[in-house]
Amino acid sequence: GQQLNQSPQSMFIQEGEDVSMNCTSSSIFNTWLWYKQDPGEGPVLLIALYKAGELTSNGRLTAQFGITRKDSFLNISASIPSDVGIYFCAGPGGGATNKLIFGTGTLLAVQP
Amino acid sequence: DVKVTQSSRYLVKRTGEKVFLECVQDMDHENMFWYRQDPGLGLRLIYFSYDVKMKEKGDIPEGYSVSREKKERFSLILESASTNQTSMYLCASRYTGGGYEQYFGPGTRLTVT
Repeated sequence: GQQLNQSPQSMFIQEGEDVSMNCTSSSIFNTWLWYKQDPGEGPVLLIALYKAGELTSNGRLTAQFGITRKDSFLNISASIPSDVGIYFCAGPGGGATNKLIFGTGTLLAVQP
Repeated sequence: DVKVTQSSRYLVKRTGEKVFLECVQDMDHENMFWYRQDPGLGLRLIYFSYDVKMKEKGDIPEGYSVSREKKERFSLILESASTNQTSMYLCASRYTGGGYEQYFGPGTRLTVT
């Protein structure tokens, strides 16, 4: 079945540093979604990507839909303590528009 | 903004109890979902509904049932709660005319003792 591999699994950085994480799929996607989950809360949609090569920003966050359509990247610039959380990628779950596959998540910790 | 609310943030129930988890969305979305989230296992789809009174099994429906009597409300029912159903339960909704984006509620942390 389809799988999403997300890396790194965790990151421990200093406030002000830039962050990069990525997600790769075993098959081609036509949509990539990036979510953030704060501790004890539900995931919040950050960015949605619909086209290969697309680069979309949301404040200090920038996500890219990979040219191969099998990967996506999320960058956070000038990290701040409230960036702490788990970042998930997600994509269509094979045939059905009501199914998403989620990555395993990247845990981000930011030291003030 | 899409708003998805869940009836409880924290619940503690005893083994064998019948448990109802309620989810309400205010954006007239046709599709609603129930997931559970466990460490190391990620988000797993329990059930979803694409219309009132319609439901489809997800990847792990065993031990659960759902009800969708009104468009805005989707209920998850644990007929006889067991300790292995201790988990974080997340509800989500999606607009049929949009893309794949699902919008999540804040979650219910259920503990079954």
